[in-house]
Order: sequence, then structure tokens, then C-alpha cells
Amino acid sequence: EDQVTQSPEALRLQEGESSSLNCSYTVSGLRGLFWYRQDPGKGPEFLFTLYSAGEEKEKERLKATLTKKESFLHITAPKPEDSATYLCAAANPSGNTPLVFGKGTRLSVIA
Amino acid sequence: DADVTQTPRNRITKTGKRIMLECSQTKGHDRMYWYRQDPGLGLRLIYYSFDVKDINKGEISDGYSVSRQAQAKFSLSLESAIPNQTALYFCATTAGGNTEAFFGQGTRLTVV
Repeated sequence: EDQVTQSPEALRLQEGESSSLNCSYTVSGLRGLFWYRQDPGKGPEFLFTLYSAGEEKEKERLKATLTKKESFLHITAPKPEDSATYLCAAANPSGNTPLVFGKGTRLSVIA
Repeated sequence: DADVTQTPRNRITKTGKRIMLECSQTKGHDRMYWYRQDPGLGLRLIYYSFDVKDINKGEISDGYSVSRQAQAKFSLSLESAIPNQTALYFCATTAGGNTEAFFGQGTRLTVV
């Protein structure tokens, strides 16, 4: 069964304290790894797609990387406005099943 | 305008009532999905549809039904609402099996 596991479940950082969120997956022959940001009570907002090991994508203070078994979302010098839940999702090779989502990491950045 | 629009945004209903949540998308995508989100449980898939004639159950379809009225419209019904269906519901759409999903803003449903 395809699975996506995110860790930690929750992370509390001081403003400026860089860290990484982890997304490990068991999808064999991954066809895409997606990162989303979700603010409380709102729909997930797409951040990045990664398709192959070694690929990296950046947006402001966020950088997503991908290996053959996991993806990391690196947050450099976070600000309070980066506080949100970050979700990752994996696409399996068939393309005929929905994306598999992890449960998310709830990030709090304290000023 | 939002790519994926859900109505209503908030709803309080009584146990036993039938309720419909509606979703429309302007992305022109064939694939649409309904999820529910509960604290600590992440997004759980209720139903999905890969085209107008295709309907598939997700992991938690019991107590729910769906209708795909057109490529752009996908509605979710609770035939007889119960309190443990209180949750945040999201509709989403994708272009294909390995493309990003676009989500609506959600419907907060409370069953009392």
C-alpha cells in the first residue's frame, strides 16, 4: 500500500531558526512529490512539485528537495507568517489513483 | 475568481437531515475529488471522479454519495447527517495522475 509519512507532527521554531520538515514515501516508482501549505480553516495551497531524485525547488524561504525515499522542505530564517501546516503528497506510477497525502506538519514560528 | 469554488462555506445542520455540498471548478480538469479533514487525521478521501461517467469510492465513503453533473461540477451528499460527520470538507481537481491538485476553500460542516 502506498504511504506518505510526515515528521515531525508539529514543530515550533523561533523566528530566524532554520529547520527541515520530512516527508517519506513508500510509493514505488514515484511519479511526482507535491508540497502544500495550509492555513487554518483554508484549503491547501500548492507550493512545489518534484519529479526526480536530486531535484530542488525554491520559493522565498522554502526549498524542497527529493531523494529516492523522502523529500525535505527546508525553511531558512523563518518568519511568523510561515506558520501553517505543510502537507506533502505522492503520485504513484499508474496515474490512475488519487494522490496519497501525508497528515502534515504543523509549523509555528514564534517572534 | 477562485479556480475551485465550494458552497456553502459554513453549514450547521441537524442529525438526520440530508445535505448537499457543491463544488465547481474553472480549471477545465477532468478529475475531481472530495476530502474531509479532521484534526490529527489529515485529508481523507471520500469519493473521486476521473471523468463525468466515472465515480469511485475513497477510503471513507460510507454515509456519503456524490454526483458528477458536468466536467466542472461535483457534489457531495450526506443522506442522513450524523454528528461524527462534523468536519471540514474540501473539493479538489487535478489535470492528471501526476499533477498538482487545486483545492477549494472548504466547507465547514457541523451536525448537531
